[in-house]
Amino acid sequence: DAKTTQPPSMDCAEGRAANLPCNHSTISGNEYVYWYRQIHSQGPQYIIHGLKNNETNEMASLIITEDRKSSTLILPHATLRDTAVYYCIVRSGATNKLIFGTGTLLAVQP
Amino acid sequence: NAGVTQTPKFRILKIGQSMTLQCTQDMNHNYMYWYRQDPGMGLKLIYYSVGAGITDKGEVPNGYNVSRSTTEDFPLRLELAAPSQTSVYFCASSFTGGGTDTQYFGPGTRLTVL
Repeated sequence: DAKTTQPPSMDCAEGRAANLPCNHSTISGNEYVYWYRQIHSQGPQYIIHGLKNNETNEMASLIITEDRKSSTLILPHATLRDTAVYYCIVRSGATNKLIFGTGTLLAVQP
Repeated sequence: NAGVTQTPKFRILKIGQSMTLQCTQDMNHNYMYWYRQDPGMGLKLIYYSVGAGITDKGEVPNGYNVSRSTTEDFPLRLELAAPSQTSVYFCASSFTGGGTDTQYFGPGTRLTVL
């Protein structure tokens, strides 16, 4: 599975959009981009995933560049409860394994 | 649905002791997983199972054993606890295990070995 690079930490003001970047320059054609988050001391929670097209659900939007070498997770109106570590994971369609890096700690400030 | 449940929430073991971490899911998922998470690190896969009676090693299996006698349960066994096994353990499950399948995680068991 391709490796990902994320900034270790980011701040965001409450009510503003949080944009979390992820680089995955070695991604291959059958690999998906997944995002999970982990609120302090809890189990990881699935947010969204995509292959080529941009995706949106009730939690977030995922923007994948045309060359697929990077992506951005967007939380449109961040709240204090969105403070968490966000993991960007690249995963082959042929595997059931998730490989977690160290993620980005998003701190939403009041 | 309760989802994925884990017991106990916390446990302190002495070196050399053994214990079983319990994991149960009520979503009728075929795949189940055990991860460990050391402080400040991401999760690492210990073992996984694709169905009752079938298990396989993950990235860090040494010092652990698993079994899967039912669809619902996937216990993790530590036979001779060592300080290096101090960690938070998460169990997860998914329906098919395929590339677009979502894993659902339990709340974790915090284990300290002294």
